Amino acid sequence: QKEVEQNSGPLSVPEGAIASLNCTYSDRGSQSFFWYRQYSGKSPELIMFIYSNGDKEDGRFTAQLNKASQYVSLLIRDSQPSDSATYLCAVLGTAGNKLTFGGGTRVLVKP
Amino acid sequence: DVKVTQSSRYLVKRTGEKVFLECVQDMDHENMFWYRQDPGLGLRLIYFSYDVKMKEKGDIPEGYSVSREKKERFSLILESASTNQTSMYLCASSGNADTQYFGPGTRLTVL
Repeated sequence: QKEVEQNSGPLSVPEGAIASLNCTYSDRGSQSFFWYRQYSGKSPELIMFIYSNGDKEDGRFTAQLNKASQYVSLLIRDSQPSDSATYLCAVLGTAGNKLTFGGGTRVLVKP
Repeated sequence: DVKVTQSSRYLVKRTGEKVFLECVQDMDHENMFWYRQDPGLGLRLIYFSYDVKMKEKGDIPEGYSVSREKKERFSLILESASTNQTSMYLCASSGNADTQYFGPGTRLTVL
């Protein structure tokens, strides 16, 4: 079992709709969670991070964390074609300062 | 703004050559990381460093070594390049907040 799991997609959403991405993790002691966006051929860029249970909003993005169920999700509201990318979930476990990345979910926003 | 730079965007080397990939960050971060990214395999950690002259093996250190003589610079060395080391190499750095910031990446081709 992978330590951080994501559905590889592609997740196809119409423009203006909400894209919902999920990520589950195995290390119950994990404390910090990150979402990165990666365009094809580019390096990952941080979208947001979340440490506490509940929701955290930043513009059109909302991260949701449920430590009891060991999942973190990302919602993209009013999806735009420019949101088409691969979204990586990353988790800081109890082992130290290493991030463990999921395999990424590819999102396609269709006009 | 955090800035992480890598010495080359594209590099072509021959089998058996010694290859140096350089990474420099300008935010006085303690932690620096080297990953490789391959289709279907995601981001895999090669080595990381949490202080000058300190290094830790990641998940796939075989065939690689690293050097960190100065806090801002972290080098990845392929002692004898092989075709299976053709990949995208990504450097990242982080401070105490755990958030990792990535450089633009080096696409290495070994012929």
